Amino acid sequence: QVQLKESGPGLVKPSQTLSLTCTVSGDSILSGGYYWSWIRHIPGKGPEWIGYIYYSAITRSATTHYNPSLKSRLTIAVDTSKNQFSVSLRSVTAADTAVYFCARDGDGGYVGRLDIWGQGTTVTVSS
Amino acid sequence: ENVLTQSPGTLSLSLGERAILSCRASQSVSPYYLAWYQQKPGQAPRLLIYATSTRATGIPDRFTGSGSGTDFTLTISRLEPEDFAVYYCQQYDGSLTFGGGTRVDIK
Repeated sequence: QVQLKESGPGLVKPSQTLSLTCTVSGDSILSGGYYWSWIRHIPGKGPEWIGYIYYSAITRSATTHYNPSLKSRLTIAVDTSKNQFSVSLRSVTAADTAVYFCARDGDGGYVGRLDIWGQGTTVTVSS
Repeated sequence: ENVLTQSPGTLSLSLGERAILSCRASQSVSPYYLAWYQQKPGQAPRLLIYATSTRATGIPDRFTGSGSGTDFTLTISRLEPEDFAVYYCQQYDGSLTFGGGTRVDIK
């Protein structure tokens, strides 16, 4: 079955860049049709959507869509050779401390249908 | 941004009771783009319902989603021990937003 797993540093210093990778197993990003997403969750609050990358098997290209509140600091990219996608969030502050999840969206054409999630990874922003 | 407000914040119920969770949107939501998730401590959210009322794979039929426009409801007909968790609604209108959650506790 399809599985996702996040990896990356658990501690990032303020003003630096948070970088995480999600490795997909059991399916190929190259097959297309899904929105590969990042979500973060601060305990006690609702989850916050970060953005997604969509890979088209027809055009063999990717498009991204970001949360407007994070857009100026954000890059989501895909590495099809490794079957991974990644997130980079620049100029982080303590407010970016959260559990970060990667997830698959768009099964059956329904965007907002986040049906498969990684286990999550805690990122703390602190000096 | 379409803000989702969930109520109540906490619901304290006994096993076998019915739970009714509300999600109100600040703008109308397409019925295709309203979903519900369950989250337990230390776990990722789990998709329960998508497209307002369609149960995800493996979700028991005691979970029912309904609603339209700006008002949506998740009903759990008879609470089982594994149902005590936090529930989130989520919408998509070009961007995804989540509600603040409803915690279902054992009374």
